[in-house]
Amino acid sequence: DQQVKQNSPSLSVQEGRISILNCDYTNSMFDYFLWYKKYPAEGPTFLISISSIKDKNEDGRFTVFLNKSAKHLSLHIVPSQPGDSAVYFCAANYGGATNKLIFGTGTLLAVQP
Amino acid sequence: GAVVSQHPSRVICKSGTSVKIECRSLDFQATTMFWYRQFPKQSLMLMATSNEGSKATYEQGVEKDKFLINHASLTLSTLTVTSAHPEDSSFYICSARRTSTYEQYFGPGTRLTVT
Repeated sequence: DQQVKQNSPSLSVQEGRISILNCDYTNSMFDYFLWYKKYPAEGPTFLISISSIKDKNEDGRFTVFLNKSAKHLSLHIVPSQPGDSAVYFCAANYGGATNKLIFGTGTLLAVQP
Repeated sequence: GAVVSQHPSRVICKSGTSVKIECRSLDFQATTMFWYRQFPKQSLMLMATSNEGSKATYEQGVEKDKFLINHASLTLSTLTVTSAHPEDSSFYICSARRTSTYEQYFGPGTRLTVT
């Protein structure tokens, strides 16, 4: 049962344009959401996060939007750069005593020069 | 800040032997560390949660006697794969969480190959 889903396995965007990566979740117990960037054979790098009590968080070129009623979040990268090409994972924090992250399946972003 | 190291980065071992992987938080204290496994083209699968000074909590389906976890200090957790088999070959990644935060910071991963 995949509680965090990224339905687009890949996305291709032109340099300078906006990249929008989407993530859907099913569990209303998730209280915090994070986006990570990952290169092959490396550990994920933390990008940006958002609390479930907010609907937007911005950090430089990265903005995360959360729609709780739709159980949907998205990561916007603008402008996209070739160095942004990587696999992006969204993750949801399962609160309570465990406080563990549940990861989505990842989206491979390719930014074309 | 928030640097996590992992050692070794790559290891090859024979079936039946044991392998230890170290995870260190270099510039912060981590009361909780996590161990993940990633299969090719798949997501990160949480194996266990390691709390400093207490027993690890294993996810369903993960054999605690096979994957021994020790979190002896606020900056070090170890994963020992005992009696390794070829199906244990995988990419193992640890993460550490700062006290009172949600963000996990990941190590660079360890590629284990069991021959």
